[in-house]
Amino acid sequence: EAGVTQFPSHSVIEKGQTVTLRCDPISGHDNLYWYRRVMGKEIKFLLHFVKESKQDESGMPNNRFLAERTGGTYSTLKVQPAELEDSGVYFCASSDRGGYTEAFFGQGTRLTVV
Amino acid sequence: AQSVTQLDSQVPVFEEAPVELRCNYSSSVSVYLFWYVQYPNQGLQLLLKYLSGSTLVKGINGFEAEFNKSQTSFHLRKPSVHISDTAEYFCAVRSTGAQKLVFGQGTRLTINP
Repeated sequence: EAGVTQFPSHSVIEKGQTVTLRCDPISGHDNLYWYRRVMGKEIKFLLHFVKESKQDESGMPNNRFLAERTGGTYSTLKVQPAELEDSGVYFCASSDRGGYTEAFFGQGTRLTVV
Repeated sequence: AQSVTQLDSQVPVFEEAPVELRCNYSSSVSVYLFWYVQYPNQGLQLLLKYLSGSTLVKGINGFEAEFNKSQTSFHLRKPSVHISDTAEYFCAVRSTGAQKLVFGQGTRLTINP
């Protein structure tokens, strides 16, 4: 069974450009999460989808970030326009339904804004 | 709201020595507790979790952790480490009524031969 897959693994863009990160969750997982780790700090929650609906987007830093999950399958996280402070590692995770379920994480996308 | 503090940002140990990585949390509600590991160039992998029941939890690769409610701690231990345990370790909590994880800052474990 394939795990959580994230594309690209690395991205280097200039300030002001747009970047789109993609996450393919484990097949059948209704819950999909985005997290971010800024250099040297803790991993922070960004948002949570249940199928195609945003359940909790309390961690989204500002309106330059837009997350979508079309048809309840893969998800994209777009940053437009990117700023220097957006640099970090973006993790995606997915889990099955139920309160006791484990979240499975992808390898992350390392975003560098220069 | 919850918060997690991992008391050591880096822990160097010699191979075959025991290790303890410390984690304290703060929460006004009941929580589940987790330890994740990130090996070099890989994603986060669950080491172990405490949901309920026995406070001593055993995980993969010989790791175990003990939940101490009175001290609000969930320290991770291994009696004898190997070079392959070199990684960054993350403690995390999740309230029983929510889905999102709250992470600590991570502890980088370095094993010296």
